[in-house]
Amino acid sequence: KQEVTQIPAALSVPEGENLVLNCSFTDSAIYNLQWFRQDPGKGLTSLLLIQSSQREQTSGRLNASLDKSSGRSTLYIAASQPGDSATYLCAGHGSSNTGKLIFGQGTTLQVKP
Amino acid sequence: GAGVSQSPSNKVTEKGKDVELRCDPISGHTALYWYRQSLGQGLEFLIYFQGNSAPDKSGLPSDRFSAERTGGSVSTLTIQRTQQEDSAVYLCASSLQGATHNEQFFGPGTRLTVL
Repeated sequence: KQEVTQIPAALSVPEGENLVLNCSFTDSAIYNLQWFRQDPGKGLTSLLLIQSSQREQTSGRLNASLDKSSGRSTLYIAASQPGDSATYLCAGHGSSNTGKLIFGQGTTLQVKP
Repeated sequence: GAGVSQSPSNKVTEKGKDVELRCDPISGHTALYWYRQSLGQGLEFLIYFQGNSAPDKSGLPSDRFSAERTGGSVSTLTIQRTQQEDSAVYLCASSLQGATHNEQFFGPGTRLTVL
């Protein structure tokens, strides 16, 4: 059974710092990986999708990488801003036969001005 | 463009009552998903619709839960005889296709409280 772990569970940094959020899977046979952010009381906003044939994706100050051999993904946030404060969730597809995502518990990020 | 919409945004009901939650996916998206987010369990998959194929119901927690998708668009999640442990945020998502390489887009969710 695929399980997803996100480390750390919570993180507080001063504005301007670069930071890395980690995500790991118990079964390295994952297909795609998607990173989301969730603001309090809101739904999920898709940040980046790394498809099975890719190793990384970039969007603005965000860069996500996927190492399928180790079953790990990282989300790198450059020059963090207070507006980046949110919970970040990673989720993966455990099989090519299903569209369902398996989620980690999330990392709650606070960026202090 | 319009994203995934869900209604109602909040629903308070009494234990034992039935509830219906609605999801309108992004126009043109053939795949639709329901997830549930609760404090103790995180985000968990419930059910997945892809085109005219039989839905994947493997995540439904009990036979009190059912879902339909009419005309390949709007979906309704029904919970019969609600219990307090059903209290959660119910999230709907859609993707262009159901294959694993498609990005899923989520709605704002319906917060269900069972008293």
